[in-house]
Amino acid sequence: KQEVTQIPAALSVPEGENLVLNCSFTDSAIYNLQWFRQDPGKGLTSLLLIQSSQREQTSGRLNASLDKSSGRSTLYIAASQPGDSATYLCAVSSYNFNKFYFGSGTKLNVKP
Amino acid sequence: GAVVSQHPSRVICKSGTSVKIECRSLDFQATTMFWYRQFPKQSLMLMATSNEGSKATYEQGVEKDKFLINHASLTLSTLTVTSAHPEDSSFYICSARPTQNSPTGELFFGEGSRLTVL
Repeated sequence: KQEVTQIPAALSVPEGENLVLNCSFTDSAIYNLQWFRQDPGKGLTSLLLIQSSQREQTSGRLNASLDKSSGRSTLYIAASQPGDSATYLCAVSSYNFNKFYFGSGTKLNVKP
Repeated sequence: GAVVSQHPSRVICKSGTSVKIECRSLDFQATTMFWYRQFPKQSLMLMATSNEGSKATYEQGVEKDKFLINHASLTLSTLTVTSAHPEDSSFYICSARPTQNSPTGELFFGEGSRLTVL
């Protein structure tokens, strides 16, 4: 069974700092990996999606990388802002699309 | 991006009553929708996969008679929590994948529904 782990569980940084969130998964037979943001009491907002054949995706200050063979992904946030404070979740999709496995999330706090 | 709408966003009910939560894909058709449950400070746990026109597929440990799922159309799936008890209090989130597959297989999520059972 696929297991997804996110480290660290919580992170607090001063505004302006660059930071990296980590995600690892045990089964490399994935179709894609998706990073989400979740604000308290809210649903999930998709940030970046990386297909298994890709190595990275970028959107604004966010850059996500994927090393499928080693079962790792990172989400890089440049020049962090207080508005980036949220819980960040990664999830991997199985090849038949019927399963989507989530990590437990990293709770980010960016201090003004 | 594609929009998934959930209703209600918050519901409070008495123990023993049933509660229905709706999940709609607003600008696309979805043959398959997924229902998740999230406890405080925990990640999402898949409860069931909802398939239009057929029975839902439940994950191990999820009571299908407790959590009734209906996917009557390509844009609507409903989750009914029957005879709700305080331990059913949780955050329920649905997601949908466009029938016209995006080759990326991207999933879109609703805003979630907070259920509180008194």
